[in-house]
Amino acid sequence: GDSVTQMEGPVTLSEEAFLTINCTYTATGYPSLFWYVQYPGEGLQLLLKATKADDKGSNKGFEATYRKETTSFHLEKGSVQVSDSAVYFCALSVKGGNKLVFGAGTILRVKS
Amino acid sequence: DSGVTQTPKHLITATGQRVTLRCSPRSGDLSVYWYQQSLDQGLQFLIHYYNGEERAKGNILERFSAQQFPDLHSELNLSSLELGDSALYFCASSVGLAGDSSYNEQFFGPGTRLTVL
Repeated sequence: GDSVTQMEGPVTLSEEAFLTINCTYTATGYPSLFWYVQYPGEGLQLLLKATKADDKGSNKGFEATYRKETTSFHLEKGSVQVSDSAVYFCALSVKGGNKLVFGAGTILRVKS
Repeated sequence: DSGVTQTPKHLITATGQRVTLRCSPRSGDLSVYWYQQSLDQGLQFLIHYYNGEERAKGNILERFSAQQFPDLHSELNLSSLELGDSALYFCASSVGLAGDSSYNEQFFGPGTRLTVL
């Protein structure tokens, strides 16, 4: 079945450090790929998305590129801030499907 | 604020009881989805309704049921509650249905935290 695997956390970084959170997927056909963020006590917010191979999603300094050959969608940010501390979820949706399949989530802690 | 509302925010109940969680989608959205977030299972899709009709089921227990009403709000009913049902339950909504080559962005509510004692 469809699945998403993302790196285990927590990931602890100092402010202005470079961030990478790895995400790989298994899916039938060509899925759409997403990163969602969950701030403490809140619901999930869509951070960025990519709907076809080689697409790059970007938002608020975060980027992720849809790599079909490696079935990956790694999240990156060049310089993290304390306010980026949250749980990050990688997810996929199969074309024509409507549900989201989520990874386990990665806790990010940024220290000042 | 996503525009999706969920009530109540917190719910504490005892084993064997029955509860109802409520979700109001964004204005104009016809699809409603329910997800369960627990420590051991992560975020899992439960069920999807579109314009009042059930469209897809995920890992939803038989003790759980849902419906979407003519005004498009949805309710998730959980019965014969067990300790393991303690979780955060999210509702999401989207405009319609994803086509063969498209994706409908889902907007999530703040969740209902259910604690079963």
